[in-house]
Amino acid sequence: QKEVEQDPGPLSVPEGAIVSLNCTYSNSAFQYFMWYRQYSRKGPELLMYTYSSGNKEDGRFTAQVDKSSKYISLFIRDSQPSDSATYLCAMSAGAGRRALTFGSGTRLQVQP
Amino acid sequence: GAGVSQSPRYKVAKRGQDVALRCDPISGHVSLFWYQQALGQGPEFLTYFQNEAQLDKSGLPSDRFFAERPEGSVSTLKIQRTQQEDSAVYLCASSLGGEPLAFFGQGTRLTVV
Repeated sequence: QKEVEQDPGPLSVPEGAIVSLNCTYSNSAFQYFMWYRQYSRKGPELLMYTYSSGNKEDGRFTAQVDKSSKYISLFIRDSQPSDSATYLCAMSAGAGRRALTFGSGTRLQVQP
Repeated sequence: GAGVSQSPRYKVAKRGQDVALRCDPISGHVSLFWYQQALGQGPEFLTYFQNEAQLDKSGLPSDRFFAERPEGSVSTLKIQRTQQEDSAVYLCASSLGGEPLAFFGQGTRLTVV
């Protein structure tokens, strides 16, 4: 079983919908949680970064971390066709192990 | 520079050939990471540098893979005697200090034929 599990999708929604993307993980040492967006044939682009538990909001994006359930979420409000991409969750234990462990990515398609 | 720069963007190698992939991190970034991304998968960690010191190479899949960062800036990932299973996108990322927050380059797509 992988350390980080992510539903690969594809997830197809109409423009304007609220999108919910999720990851579960098994390593309780993870403290840093990130969401990256990756367009086809491009490198991952950092969207959201959260340390430990809680919520963080940035424009149309909200990241949630529930360490007790080992579950993280990314919400996208008022989704746009330009949001169509693969979304990768990533996490790290931090000091001593700085490498990121990624989920396999969820492909999102926002239909105009 | 403004972002992490990788070259070449695309590389086709014949099986058995040696390749070298270059990464130019964001100026001033201390930490540098290499990842390998197979088609339809998330990136997988290969190795990590802090300045010129390679502190973690636990993800390198075999001794055919070698990375260096001799002056603490530009890094090179070398793959010797390439095999078909080495075909993937190789991503470089850098971060300012010791935090895991990393910014990625566009990647080098390696195809071994």
